[in-house]
Amino acid sequence: QVQLVQSGSELKKPGASVRVYCKASGYTFRNYDMNWVRQAPGKGLEYIGWINTRTGNPTYAQGFTGRFVFSLDTSVSTAYLQISSLKAEDTAVYYCARDYFDASGLHPWGQGTLVIVSS
Amino acid sequence: SSELTQDPAVSVALGQTVRITCQGDSLRSNFASWYHQKPGQAPVLVMYGKNDRPSGIPDRFSGSSSGNIASLTITGAQAEDEGDYYCNSRDSGGNHLEVFGGGTRLTVL
Repeated sequence: QVQLVQSGSELKKPGASVRVYCKASGYTFRNYDMNWVRQAPGKGLEYIGWINTRTGNPTYAQGFTGRFVFSLDTSVSTAYLQISSLKAEDTAVYYCARDYFDASGLHPWGQGTLVIVSS
Repeated sequence: SSELTQDPAVSVALGQTVRITCQGDSLRSNFASWYHQKPGQAPVLVMYGKNDRPSGIPDRFSGSSSGNIASLTITGAQAEDEGDYYCNSRDSGGNHLEVFGGGTRLTVL
């Protein structure tokens, strides 16, 4: 079955970097674009952006340019999210989510990766 | 970028019908998708397109849209339907970016 499995929780100090991975299985990785969404504790979903899995071209939502970087390793069907210069307000659960069909929502979602930024 | 607005909380009696709404300019040219999130779990897509459900989603869930308002209706709400519901759509900027509503907390009484 189609599945996205993410890396485990991370505890980082302010100013550090973190890389979250999202490994896909059960479908042809390059056929569907990948999205990243975060959710701060007790808050709603916040869209970070998406990456074209055929070209590797990333597009970031407003407020997520510069410190957030998407990348791919298509040989192992894996997408990555790297966040640099971490701040306390980056503390959140980070989700990857596949395009279901074009402009038809996001499905499935990974299980989420909790990133805690604290000194 | 676009914004989507949802009521923060809605309640429904067990077995009754409830409508959750989502308002925003991007909905004039894009369909809404809807997600259900239970505490500690990832969101799950429950509705997309004009009125389509992914495999495994019960037919008590239905969707509709008019102008800049999209609605998710649950006919005969069950206890397991409790949780947070988020709408989303493509941003009207044409860059394939998505936008999410703030979420609606559904309580089944």
